[in-house]
Amino acid sequence: NAGVTQTPKFRILKIGQSMTLQCTQDMNHNYMYWYRQDPGMGLKLIYYSVGAGITDKGEVPNGYNVSRSTTEDFPLRLELAAPSQTSVYFCASSFPGGKETQYFGPGTRLLVL
Amino acid sequence: DQQVKQNSPSLSVQEGRISILNCDYTNSMFDYFLWYKKYPAEGPTFLISISSIKDKNEDGRFTVFLNKSAKHLSLHIVPSQPGDSAVYFCAASAPDSGSRLTFGEGTQLTVNP
Repeated sequence: NAGVTQTPKFRILKIGQSMTLQCTQDMNHNYMYWYRQDPGMGLKLIYYSVGAGITDKGEVPNGYNVSRSTTEDFPLRLELAAPSQTSVYFCASSFPGGKETQYFGPGTRLLVL
Repeated sequence: DQQVKQNSPSLSVQEGRISILNCDYTNSMFDYFLWYKKYPAEGPTFLISISSIKDKNEDGRFTVFLNKSAKHLSLHIVPSQPGDSAVYFCAASAPDSGSRLTFGEGTQLTVNP
């Protein structure tokens, strides 16, 4: 049981490039989330999904896209990377229920230059 | 609009003493509160939670206190150990937010041997 896995661990992008951050969970959780964490800031929700085929925007969705074709996978797509997207990205998952604990992946550190 | 605030970016305590981490919130609709711990290069991990119908929840060395009238919660760690050195995030959810969490900025706790 690997929990939540994220790839890559670290990536450098040039301005204007695109990339997909991968997230997979093996806990059969319906709910999945993408957060970003900037230095000195808390985690900000980018997008979330309550099940395959269902996604919704969080607090800071601009510049990102997501898809959820399976229960296990929740990739985050960055189109036209900008320096403001330099951050650490965390994927998380949880069972539905409103008050269930979220389980986090180890994070992807992204640097946009 | 920062609905969950942790006003102390850092806290340093001696091993064996008590660590008290504080969190304030502004949204009176929040009814569930959590603390997460984060080590460098890892994702946050759930530590302890409390429902708004309680004012205290204890789990081993960790106790969370909730003061609803002051919109304030605190995490007490007794006794503190060097392995407790980490960033601690306070998070909150409201009944209408599903399982989405609002995080504070985090407090870096350093426990000195």
